[in-house]
Amino acid sequence: AQTVTQSQPEMSVQEAETVTLSCTYDTSESDYYLFWYKQPPSRQMILVIRQEAYKQQNATENRFSVNFQKAAKSFSLKISDSQLGDAAMYFCAYRSAISNSGYALNFGKGTSLLVTP
Amino acid sequence: GAVVSQHPSWVICKSGTSVKIECRSLDFQATTMFWYRQFPKQSLMLMATSNEGSKATYEQGVEKDKFLINHASLTLSTLTVTSAHPEDSSFYICSARKTGTVYEQYFGPGTRLTVT
Repeated sequence: AQTVTQSQPEMSVQEAETVTLSCTYDTSESDYYLFWYKQPPSRQMILVIRQEAYKQQNATENRFSVNFQKAAKSFSLKISDSQLGDAAMYFCAYRSAISNSGYALNFGKGTSLLVTP
Repeated sequence: GAVVSQHPSWVICKSGTSVKIECRSLDFQATTMFWYRQFPKQSLMLMATSNEGSKATYEQGVEKDKFLINHASLTLSTLTVTSAHPEDSSFYICSARKTGTVYEQYFGPGTRLTVT
């Protein structure tokens, strides 16, 4: 089974600064997908960014970018120009490309991000 | 587009009773839906995967007779917690994978269950 590890239970960043959230995973598969989800206090899960393992280029979505190191099995999220609205729980997730899993997501334990003015 | 609803958003029930939670994909078809459970300040744990028209696949340690899942149509899956106990109190989240896609999965807003 694949495991997803987020080693930072809590992180803090000042408004307008940059913060990086860490995620590592363990898998024997060569093809898979990685995600970062945001869960604000409303608890609605919001997709932040997605990375396909077969793509070498790191995904970016506006202020959010990832550093995907396939050999190291590392998938960190960088948030630039942090805003107060970025404060939330962030979950790293893995999804197999093999359909027998139904494509279910396997989540890490999460990192709570605090943004200070 | 791609909205998933859950009903109810919050339910309180007495110990020993059953409660049903609905998960609907409002503007797309979902052959596969997933049910997750989340305890306070913890991660989402996959409970089961449901496929339209067939039996759900439960994760190890999840009691299938206690958590009944039905996926009778391409837009509706239900989770029934039978003979609920206080330890079943939790936040239940569903997600729906858009038919024909691999990674388009959308989450519902969750249901808070409190068993007294």
